[in-house]
Amino acid sequence: EVQLVQSGAEVKKPGESLKISCKGSGYSFTSYWIGWVRQMPGKGLEWMGIIYPGDSDTRYSPSFQGQVTISADKSISTAYLQWSSLKASDTAMYYCARRDSSGYYSFNYWGQGTLVTVSS
Amino acid sequence: EIVLTQSPGTLSLSPGERATLSCRASQSVSSSYLAWYQQKPGQAPRLLIYGASSRATGIPDRFSGSGSGTDFTLTISRLEPEDFAVYYCQQYGSSSPSYTFGQGTKLEIK
Repeated sequence: EVQLVQSGAEVKKPGESLKISCKGSGYSFTSYWIGWVRQMPGKGLEWMGIIYPGDSDTRYSPSFQGQVTISADKSISTAYLQWSSLKASDTAMYYCARRDSSGYYSFNYWGQGTLVTVSS
Repeated sequence: EIVLTQSPGTLSLSPGERATLSCRASQSVSSSYLAWYQQKPGQAPRLLIYGASSRATGIPDRFSGSGSGTDFTLTISRLEPEDFAVYYCQQYGSSSPSYTFGQGTKLEIK
């Protein structure tokens, strides 16, 4: 069974750093792109970026380029999303999702989400 | 960058009725790259439709997708109580490359 299990909720202060994780299981982790999606409170879905764990090829949305870093450690089947200096506006739910490999470019498996709260 | 505009913003219907949700793109989108998701409160999104018209694994056949070019539609033939949720369309743009979501349509019980 394909599963994406994300790390737990975080409460941070502005200016702090953070790295959240997404662990894949039940499939070949290195063979599928993993994307990250932000959902601010009461708002819609926003694509942030995507990584191919096989070679760490990474693409970012222009809206998030330079604001976050996406990485992966294929030895432990885990993708990461990190911030070097959080802002209150980073408060949101963050989802990882696996992209299908059949050429349709949709996300067919999703993690449960990680809630990040940034408040002084 | 392609912008997806979903309409209506909110749709109020009763169980048993037919729901028609629209997704309009600012430029032509390959049908292969258009997907629909359902999100219920407190849950992650779930893939319903990929390739504009193919149902994802386990999705009931009351859900159907259609369209091409700039206009796409998600139809729910007979609403069940569990179908009331927010629905998003999503496209992939090979020129960027990028993934874009529509702003969502909330389907609520009338």
